[in-house]
Amino acid sequence: DGGITQSPKYLFRKEGQNVTLSCEQNLNHDAMYWYRQDPGQGLRLIYYSQIVNDFQKGDIAEGYSVSREKKESFPLTVTSAQKNPTAFYLCASTGTSAYNEQFFGPGTRLTVL
Amino acid sequence: SQKIEQNSEALNIQEGKTATLTCNYTNYSPAYLQWYRQDPGRGPVFLLLIRENEKEKRKERLKVTFDTTLKQSLFHITASQPADSATYLCARPSNDYKLSFGAGTTVTVRA
Repeated sequence: DGGITQSPKYLFRKEGQNVTLSCEQNLNHDAMYWYRQDPGQGLRLIYYSQIVNDFQKGDIAEGYSVSREKKESFPLTVTSAQKNPTAFYLCASTGTSAYNEQFFGPGTRLTVL
Repeated sequence: SQKIEQNSEALNIQEGKTATLTCNYTNYSPAYLQWYRQDPGRGPVFLLLIRENEKEKRKERLKVTFDTTLKQSLFHITASQPADSATYLCARPSNDYKLSFGAGTTVTVRA
């Protein structure tokens, strides 16, 4: 089964801790994305990567970091510098379609205690 | 930035009726618009894409229109069923490889 997996599904963090959210895809997609979703708001882009070993900041990159060492993997680290990290985090990927149809993972809900 | 707005947060309708959702955009017309469905606690799933030179697109009970004069897309669910209850998101390209998403409209279909 091809798809995107995210882990863990739920994550609890104490203030001041860094946490890393996992995103893996076996769709052979080049581009991958991280979004944050808060109630009543649209998906906001944190980081995206069009190719291995390259990534760009999205609209709300402050307090987050990513890496793209392998095509299949695009982990997101939420650092202690992120002031309000409690949210639902979604990873997505897209293939070679000219219309950028995005395939999403199931999401990780992060709660800061 | 390329804004996109869904002007209704929630829509409650009776089973069998047609639900109509609106998506408005600003600035230049995008080459296409996309619609996604999102169930609670899950990731969005792509439903339909409509290109700027298409006025209407259909997929089963779903119909999408694109009016570049009004800068608007309408998303219709005909003969709605309780299983159609979900949040529906529209999205437009903001540049290569990026999409801007609306906040979504939550549809509840009453049996």
